[in-house]
Amino acid sequence: AQSVTQLGSHVSVSEGALVLLRCNYSSSVPPYLFWYVQYPNQGLQLLLKYTSAATLVKGINGFEAEFKKSETSFHLTKPSAHMSDAAEYFCAVTRVLYGGSQGNLIFGKGTKLSVKP
Amino acid sequence: KAGVTQTPRYLIKTRGQQVTLSCSPISGHRSVSWYQQTPGQGLQFLFEYFSETQRNKGNFPGRFSGRQFSNSRSEMNVSTLELGDSALYLCASSWGKVTNEKLFFGSGTQLSVL
Repeated sequence: AQSVTQLGSHVSVSEGALVLLRCNYSSSVPPYLFWYVQYPNQGLQLLLKYTSAATLVKGINGFEAEFKKSETSFHLTKPSAHMSDAAEYFCAVTRVLYGGSQGNLIFGKGTKLSVKP
Repeated sequence: KAGVTQTPRYLIKTRGQQVTLSCSPISGHRSVSWYQQTPGQGLQFLFEYFSETQRNKGNFPGRFSGRQFSNSRSEMNVSTLELGDSALYLCASSWGKVTNEKLFFGSGTQLSVL
């Protein structure tokens, strides 16, 4: 069975500070991993994905994440926080099915990021 | 190109009633997935349809059902509503069988059960 754990339901940083959102996964097969962002009253938007290519993945809005198999982690980082980064962030895992399609997403509980001026 | 459209945006129902939510995927997309989002349980997968066939189903009771039409539009139905069904229901679409990196989400339908 697959699962995702996001450490910290709330993270607060100052504008310009490093953003670090933690995600650990559990999977019996090589996983595909994703980070999504949700702004208030909106759906989910894909930030970045890991699909077994490069372990350091760059996404939109300056975010990146590194897949570390030995630590079963896929933490999300951004060097300098901006006020517009305030949102809820979800880490998700899926599995590759026979034929190359993917199963459904299994989400973590989410981390709300606040950015202080 | 229009995004994923979910209607209605907000819905208030009472216990015991039934409800139908609608999702229109991005034009050309044939796969539609549904997720339930609650503060307590987070985001949970309901079901996925591809070309009018249910391909995958999450761990929800039989009161939750769905279908997909030939134009790829999808509906989900919840019968005999319970207070715990209050949630944001998100629909997502993709072109082929689910490829999550190309999954586009709608803004959701907020269901409140009183």
